[in-house]
Amino acid sequence: NAGVTQTPKFRVLKTGQSMTLLCAQDMNHEYMYWYRQDPGMGLRLIHYSVGEGTTAKGEVPDGYNVSRLKKQNFLLGLESAAPSQTSVYFCASSPLSGGKNIQYFGAGTRLSVL
Amino acid sequence: GQQVMQIPQYQHVQEGEDFTTYCNSSTTLSNIQWYKQRPGGHPVFLIQLVKSGEVKKQKRLTFQFGEAKKNSSLHITATQTTDVGTYFCAGGSNDYKLSFGAGTTVTVRA
Repeated sequence: NAGVTQTPKFRVLKTGQSMTLLCAQDMNHEYMYWYRQDPGMGLRLIHYSVGEGTTAKGEVPDGYNVSRLKKQNFLLGLESAAPSQTSVYFCASSPLSGGKNIQYFGAGTRLSVL
Repeated sequence: GQQVMQIPQYQHVQEGEDFTTYCNSSTTLSNIQWYKQRPGGHPVFLIQLVKSGEVKKQKRLTFQFGEAKKNSSLHITATQTTDVGTYFCAGGSNDYKLSFGAGTTVTVRA
């Protein structure tokens, strides 16, 4: 049971390049989330999804897009990367279990934008 | 929007000593969760508190939820080197999201 898998683990981009981060979960969870983690700022929610085919904006959505075409996958896209998007990105998933939004995190993607 | 503040940002502890980290929300929470992230790792769920005034223990860790459901604390007794990492509180409201505090990063002097 792999849980939440993120690919790639590391990536270096040049300003203006695009890329897609993939998150896959095998726990049949309804909810999925993308966070970024920067020093001293905790985890900030970028986008989230409450089910297949649905997405919503989080706290810091600008510069990112997401898609959830399949229940098990949640993709995060950067159309034109900027140095301010250098960060560690975490995906998480959570089951639809009344009142208990426990989140399970992937290992993270470390992204540098030069 | 909901904001969760966590203090202190850093905690340097002598092995064997106790310490506490605190979490405060600007709004009433439906629940509070605590996560631990080891250096270079990812956040891992520790516990969830739901009831006003609730206290839960996990071995040397004691978690408390305030009466007004706006604050929480994590107390660790007899700190060990295995306690090293960053502890996050996360406030839940009546939706699908959590608001994470900035975390308390714990280092231990042997």
